Amino acid sequence: GQQLNQSPQSMFIQEGEDVSMNCTSSSIFNTWLWYKQDPGEGPVLLIALYKAGELTSNGRLTAQFGITRKDSFLNISASIPSDVGIYFCAGPRSARQLTFGSGTQLTVLP
Amino acid sequence: DTEVTQTPKHLVMGMTNKKSLKCEQHMGHRAMYWYKQKAKKPPELMFVYSYEKLSINESVPSRFSPECPNSSLLNLHLHALQPEDSALYLCASSQAGVYEQYFGPGTRLTVT
Repeated sequence: GQQLNQSPQSMFIQEGEDVSMNCTSSSIFNTWLWYKQDPGEGPVLLIALYKAGELTSNGRLTAQFGITRKDSFLNISASIPSDVGIYFCAGPRSARQLTFGSGTQLTVLP
Repeated sequence: DTEVTQTPKHLVMGMTNKKSLKCEQHMGHRAMYWYKQKAKKPPELMFVYSYEKLSINESVPSRFSPECPNSSLLNLHLHALQPEDSALYLCASSQAGVYEQYFGPGTRLTVT
């Protein structure tokens, strides 16, 4: 079945630094989704990507749909304390099922 | 209104109890989902309802029983749970034909 490898598993960065994380798939996806989850809360959809090569921004967040359609990247610029949380990538396994990456735990140090 | 709401926020129940989790959305979405999530792990799909009909059951034990009374509401009935069922239970919804799912805040369930 489809698997998503998300890296890094965790990151410790200084406030103000930029962050990069990525997801790779064993098969082609036609959509990539990026979610952020705060402790004790549900995942919040950050960015949705629909087309190979697409680059989409949401404030300080930028995500890219890889040309091969087997990977996606999320960048956060000038990190702030509220960026702390777990970031998940996801892609459609079927019309109603998503496959999630294992998550990247982000810690922002003051 | 772009929110999915879930009640209760926290629930503690014994292994012989019967309880229900509730989920509501008013975005006109026709697909609704239940997920189970353990700490620091991604959500695991349990059930999918599409147009109020159960379309996917991911081999979930029968002690979990979903119900979709109407297009805005989704319930998860719990009976005779085990301690390993303790987790964050998430509800989500999506428009028909669209992959983006919107999650509620979850119910933190503890089985004692």
